[in-house]
Amino acid sequence: EDQVTQSPEALRLQEGESSSLNCSYTVSGLRGLFWYRQDPGKGPEFLFTLYSAGEEKEKERLKATLTKKESFLHITAPKPEDSATYLCAVQAFGNQFYFGTGTSLTVIP
Amino acid sequence: GAVVSQHPSWVICKSGTSVKIECRSLDFQATTMFWYRQFPKQSLMLMATSNEGSKATYEQGVEKDKFLINHASLTLSTLTVTSAHPEDSSFYICSARDQRLPGANVLTFGAGSRLTVL
Repeated sequence: EDQVTQSPEALRLQEGESSSLNCSYTVSGLRGLFWYRQDPGKGPEFLFTLYSAGEEKEKERLKATLTKKESFLHITAPKPEDSATYLCAVQAFGNQFYFGTGTSLTVIP
Repeated sequence: GAVVSQHPSWVICKSGTSVKIECRSLDFQATTMFWYRQFPKQSLMLMATSNEGSKATYEQGVEKDKFLINHASLTLSTLTVTSAHPEDSSFYICSARDQRLPGANVLTFGAGSRLTVL
């Protein structure tokens, strides 16, 4: 069964305290893995796409990595404005998108 | 980049009335748009795929007569929640793909519509 699991469900960090969010997936053929940021009451905002194991993408304090079974979103020296829910989505070969339940990140000043 | 506009951003209605939500691709054409529903602290649940000029494809368990989808043009899809009841209260989000972009698989989302049925 195709599914996406994100952990932890919630994460509280002190400003400057680096950490990682996990997205584990099982799909019958991976076309792409996507990371989105969602602020309360807003639609998801695209961050990264990863297509193959070993690929990495970076944007400011965020870096996404991909293996054959999971993806990590590394947050380096986070700031309060990084507080949001981070969603992971996987697109299978059948073009379906499967979303995880997200990790709610809170960065405390 | 691709922009998807959703309207209204929030709506309150009485039980039994119908509510229409619009989703527009502002700077690109979208033959396919997607409608999602999101409950608090839960993931996005795909409700249906909206196809321009043809019938929408509904996911299992989604009532097509309850959630009417119309995709009359290449830039507009509408979701109508008919005879709304309190259990229909939720956050509805649409998305589309800009096929012109290098990462054509990327879904661009609207800002969402918060529906509250009294």
